[in-house]
Amino acid sequence: NAGVMQNPRHLVRRRGQEARLRCSPMKGHSHVYWYRQLPEEGLKFMVYLQKENIIDESGMPKERFSAEFPKEGPSILRIQQVVRGDSAAYFCASSPSGSPSETQYFGPGTRLLVL
Amino acid sequence: SQELEQSPQSLIVQEGKNLTINCTSSKTLYGLYWYKQKYGEGLIFLMMLQKGGEEKSHEKITAKLDEKKQQSSLHITASQPSHAGIYLCGADFSGGGADGLTFGKGTHLIIQP
Repeated sequence: NAGVMQNPRHLVRRRGQEARLRCSPMKGHSHVYWYRQLPEEGLKFMVYLQKENIIDESGMPKERFSAEFPKEGPSILRIQQVVRGDSAAYFCASSPSGSPSETQYFGPGTRLLVL
Repeated sequence: SQELEQSPQSLIVQEGKNLTINCTSSKTLYGLYWYKQKYGEGLIFLMMLQKGGEEKSHEKITAKLDEKKQQSSLHITASQPSHAGIYLCGADFSGGGADGLTFGKGTHLIIQP
């Protein structure tokens, strides 16, 4: 019974490159959440997706960041033209159906380092 | 100001001692989640509280939510080295469905042998 899977676990990019982070939710889960954990800061919500739909992207930076959760395959968080300030741990969480009483289960995270 | 405050920020406790971590909200909570994060790893779900006055226990960890649903505490009895890590409380403020959680900054727990 695999948990939430994220890959890569570590990603190094140079300024201006693109970063693609992948998240496969737990089996049977159709809701995905992305969070960012910056050094010395708490975990911040970025975006909430269901299959083929973005439900809430209120925490996403307006530029360079995008997320998708296609019908088939993992959810992708894409960061274009990365800058040093994007260096952080990015966590994905999933829940079965999104009802208020459900727990979000987190993946191991992708640690992005921008040189 | 932070919507969710955790205290203390860090805690060093001798093995075998009890400890308490607090999480205080500036707004009414619809759900309060406790997670543990080991350094450099993901978050492990511990407990979720929804009702005022609710209390849950798992092994040596007990979490409580106050009647007003604005404060939660996490209590560890007879601490062990395996309890070391960062404890995060996460809040559901919306109540209208699963939205993104708002997290406190965490409490770093160190257990001294």
